[in-house]
Amino acid sequence: AQKITQTQPGMFVQEKEAVTLDCTYDTSDPSYGLFWYKQPSSGEMIFLIYQGSYDQQNATEGRYSLNFQKARKSANLVISASQLGDSAMYFCAIPIQGAQKLVFGQGTRLTINP
Amino acid sequence: GAVVSQHPSRVICKSGTSVKIECRSLDFQATTMFWYRQFPKQSLMLMATSNEGSKATYEQGVEKDKFLINHASLTLSTLTVTSAHPEDSSFYICSASTGRIYEQYFGPGTRLTVT
Repeated sequence: AQKITQTQPGMFVQEKEAVTLDCTYDTSDPSYGLFWYKQPSSGEMIFLIYQGSYDQQNATEGRYSLNFQKARKSANLVISASQLGDSAMYFCAIPIQGAQKLVFGQGTRLTINP
Repeated sequence: GAVVSQHPSRVICKSGTSVKIECRSLDFQATTMFWYRQFPKQSLMLMATSNEGSKATYEQGVEKDKFLINHASLTLSTLTVTSAHPEDSSFYICSASTGRIYEQYFGPGTRLTVT
């Protein structure tokens, strides 16, 4: 069964600094992908970035990049030049057994300080 | 970009009543929709998978008679919480998929409070 772990319940970062949010996973699927979502206090889930296990290069989307290390089974999210608006909950997620339904990590609450 | 709406965004109901939550994909056809539940300060937990025209598949521990799911069309799925109790108070979020594993879009969520 898929398992996904976020070990940082909360992080505090100074504005404009880069931040890395950790995510480790365990899966028996030969092909899989990793999602990262942002959930502000309003509750909506905002898709940030996705990478498939067979993608050769780490995915990037603007200030977001995925540090995907398959050997370590980790898929950390890196946010460069953090902004006050980045304060939110961040969840990584993995599809369950090749299906589209997702299992989510526990989440990390990121707070950006001015 | 793909847009998924949910209605209502907030609802307060009395214990024992039923509440219906709608999830719509506005600009694409969703082969599959998913319903998640999120308690305060917790992660999202999958409740059920809904495919158009067929019965929903519920996750272990989710009461299908309590959480009725109807996927009437490729753009609409509904979740009805029957005989709601205070412990059903939660944030309910749907997502809709185009069929591609990386294309899953979430609705804005519905906050249910049962008094």
